[in-house]
Amino acid sequence: LAKTTQPISMDSYEGQEVNITCSHNNIATNDYITWYQQFPSQGPRFIIQGYKTKVTNEVASLFIPADRKSSTLSLPRVSLSDTAVYYCLVGAMNRDDKIIFGKGTRLHILP
Amino acid sequence: SAVISQKPSRDICQRGTSLTIQCQVDSQVTMMFWYRQQPGQSLTLIATANQGSEATYESGFVIDKFPISRPNLTFSTLTVSNMSPEDSSIYLCSVDRTGSSYEQYFGPGTRLTVT
Repeated sequence: LAKTTQPISMDSYEGQEVNITCSHNNIATNDYITWYQQFPSQGPRFIIQGYKTKVTNEVASLFIPADRKSSTLSLPRVSLSDTAVYYCLVGAMNRDDKIIFGKGTRLHILP
Repeated sequence: SAVISQKPSRDICQRGTSLTIQCQVDSQVTMMFWYRQQPGQSLTLIATANQGSEATYESGFVIDKFPISRPNLTFSTLTVSNMSPEDSSIYLCSVDRTGSSYEQYFGPGTRLTVT
């Protein structure tokens, strides 16, 4: 399992674009990059997953450079309700590869 | 996505007692997972529960302390036995519906306080 490193916390303001970067220098060839979001008093919520280049959905975009040693979760025009902990996980997409959560990034959106 | 409910949502228990947490899913799933999240911390996997077989426990967790049942494809229970204040945590169940362990859907959690 590739180890991930992400900032412990970030602050931003409403309406801004927020980019959270995750480092995973030891990512394996068959590993995917997955991001979860956890609001206070709730379970984590899967938000996006990718292997290379760019993935976009209704919640976020995920940018992955060619060497795949890092990735950036991009949240467009954040609101107060985006205040949450964001977890970056790296691993193979099979049931034998146990999911391990790191410490995550605590994102605080200010008015 | 899957709809997952947990009961109870929270409880306050005395040390030495046991609490059973229920996890119900709105559709059949092969694998269910139990996690613990201590205050202000990340999630730690306790065990994986497949229907019809014994649960698989992670290092640091044992069946005598955290017995798990998985009687069918939509339900599981986790019991926290002989509780101590160190067991105060949020306990979450999750399911994997897509065949990828990295795309899991989580329940709302059970907040346990042991006094």
